[in-house]
Amino acid sequence: DAGVIQSPRHEVTEMGQEVTLRCKPISGHNSLFWYRQTMMRGLELLIYFNNNVPIDDSGMPEDRFSAKMPNASFSTLKIQPSEPRDSAVYFCASLLRGPGSYNEQFFGPGTRLTVL
Amino acid sequence: LAKTTQPISMDSYEGQEVNITCSHNNIATNDYITWYQQFPSQGPRFIIQGYKTKVTNEVASLFIPADRKSSTLSLPRVSLSDTAVYYCLVGRISSGSARQLTFGSGTQLTVLP
Repeated sequence: DAGVIQSPRHEVTEMGQEVTLRCKPISGHNSLFWYRQTMMRGLELLIYFNNNVPIDDSGMPEDRFSAKMPNASFSTLKIQPSEPRDSAVYFCASLLRGPGSYNEQFFGPGTRLTVL
Repeated sequence: LAKTTQPISMDSYEGQEVNITCSHNNIATNDYITWYQQFPSQGPRFIIQGYKTKVTNEVASLFIPADRKSSTLSLPRVSLSDTAVYYCLVGRISSGSARQLTFGSGTQLTVLP
């Protein structure tokens, strides 16, 4: 398996533009997570999907952020409009939730977002 | 929510055993303790997970005392390639929540030759 795939790997955009980040989880995994990592705030959980359904989105910073998972093999994180403070590395992770592997997440390589 | 506290940084030499301790005083009954490793420009990588006592796999051991208010990640005979940030994570992912998936600030381990 190729692991969790994220695209793009790098994104540079201007303030006010819409940004869409993409994630393909590991085949067969039933849970998907979006994280944001910055020097100031560390690694923060944004949203958690279980079986394609958003379960916990309490970490989504504000209405400018939205996430979807239309099927088991694809998810998007959208920021509209983007702001400079959204600059960060965004990680997607997937997991096969079950007995004995409650927290074993597999992370993608991340998307480095720069908003000018 | 279980807040975790780890040392900000640690130095070690190649071949030594390294122990990194994480405090989590208000861990909940159903919470698991998980450790991740992160290299620069990469996503975190799962190392080990446990609930109580001791867990060992091919790369590390995890020691959890009876009160579960702390845990210690043990890396035997570290090498230069073990230089990374290590995160302690306390919580549990269920069908209804991803309780306390907060990674904290992590411990920067630097292995010296």
